[in-house]
Amino acid sequence: EIVLTQSPGTLSLSPGERVTLSCRASQSISSANLAWYQQKPGQAPRLLMYDASTRATGIPDRFSGSGSGTDFTLTISRLEPEDFAVYFCQQYDRSPMYTFGQGTKLAIK
Amino acid sequence: QVELVDSGGGVVQPGGSLRLSCAASGFIFSNYGMHWVRQAPGKGLEWVAVIFYDGSKRYYVDSVKGRFTISRDDFKSTLYLEMSSLRADDTAVYYCTRDIRSTYFDLWGRGTLVTVSA
Repeated sequence: EIVLTQSPGTLSLSPGERVTLSCRASQSISSANLAWYQQKPGQAPRLLMYDASTRATGIPDRFSGSGSGTDFTLTISRLEPEDFAVYFCQQYDRSPMYTFGQGTKLAIK
Repeated sequence: QVELVDSGGGVVQPGGSLRLSCAASGFIFSNYGMHWVRQAPGKGLEWVAVIFYDGSKRYYVDSVKGRFTISRDDFKSTLYLEMSSLRADDTAVYYCTRDIRSTYFDLWGRGTLVTVSA
């Protein structure tokens, strides 16, 4: 099983700031088979990024993803008020045995 | 409108059973692999089960093997999760979701809460 570790657990930031979230895999993920999701309280997760760096439909370009192997990042270039949420990474390299990271919470400072 | 609507959650005693449903609309249901993903209160996401687009294969996370069964009815565009021998640690919001070619999940239901408690 691939274990995904996200860091930090919580970040307190202000609107307008730039942020980079980390997702580290316990084993190398081939072909960048990694996705990112955003979840707001009381809502289902929403797909943000797939194949590590491809934005899903309707996702603004302030979101970008990168990485390969075991280290992946999600960057938000300028935080908007609606971006404060929990972010999860997910690997599908070992499909159909999928795993998620434990999440990083972006909180308003 | 493309959507998934989960239902069937509720309060059940330990050892009990429950069946969740997920009604799909706005897309060709039989073209997609379908999954259940759960989230315990205040916790992260845990993938639970998948059924391939043609129903040919099903896989489960180890913790539910032998207790949960995923199935689908393509005529009704509905996904199911039969849960038995429920335990307290099965308490969670259960989401149905579809995959794109056995990779990421691009569409999610709103979730249905299952509470296992005496």
